[in-house]
Amino acid sequence: NAGVTQTPKFQVLKTGQSMTLQCAQDMNHEYMSWYRQDPGMGLRLIHYSVGAGITDQGEVPNGYNVSRSTTEDFPLRLLSAAPSQTSVYFCASSLTGVTTEAFFGQGTRLTVV
Amino acid sequence: AQRVTQPEKLLSVFKGAPVELKCNYSYSGSPELFWYVQYSRQRLQLLLRHISRESIKGFTADLNKGETSFHLKKPFAQEEDSAMYYCALRTGTASKLTFGTGTRLQVTL
Repeated sequence: NAGVTQTPKFQVLKTGQSMTLQCAQDMNHEYMSWYRQDPGMGLRLIHYSVGAGITDQGEVPNGYNVSRSTTEDFPLRLLSAAPSQTSVYFCASSLTGVTTEAFFGQGTRLTVV
Repeated sequence: AQRVTQPEKLLSVFKGAPVELKCNYSYSGSPELFWYVQYSRQRLQLLLRHISRESIKGFTADLNKGETSFHLKKPFAQEEDSAMYYCALRTGTASKLTFGTGTRLQVTL
């Protein structure tokens, strides 16, 4: 049982490049989400999904796309990377429900130059 | 809209001293509150949730609806408590978590 797995752990992109951050979970959780973590700003929700085929925007969705074709996977796509997207990205999953625990991946440190 | 406020970016205490990490929230409905912790080079993990009313690693947190607060407390700080602590609020539909900006706890000898 691996929990939440994110790849890659580190990535350097040039401005304008696109890439996909991968996230997979093996706990059969319905709810998955992506956050970015920036100094002094905590974790901010980018996109989330309450089940396969259902996604919605969070607090800071601009410049990012998501899809949820399976329960296990929730990739985050950067369409045209910008320096402002330099951040640490965390994927999380949980059962739906207000009191349930969220499980986090180890994070992807992305630098856009 | 919901909001979580952690007023201290850094809290530095001596080993054995009491710790209180502040968290205030704003939400019009019935809140569910959590404390998550991130130790150095580790992933974010749940420390405790208010509904469980439990003590984890000596930490407790009580939800005060009148003051809209969920402060994290520990009577005697240990070196291994040094970490980043995030208060989070979860609201009904879609199970979204809203995080505070985090407080770095530094426990020194």
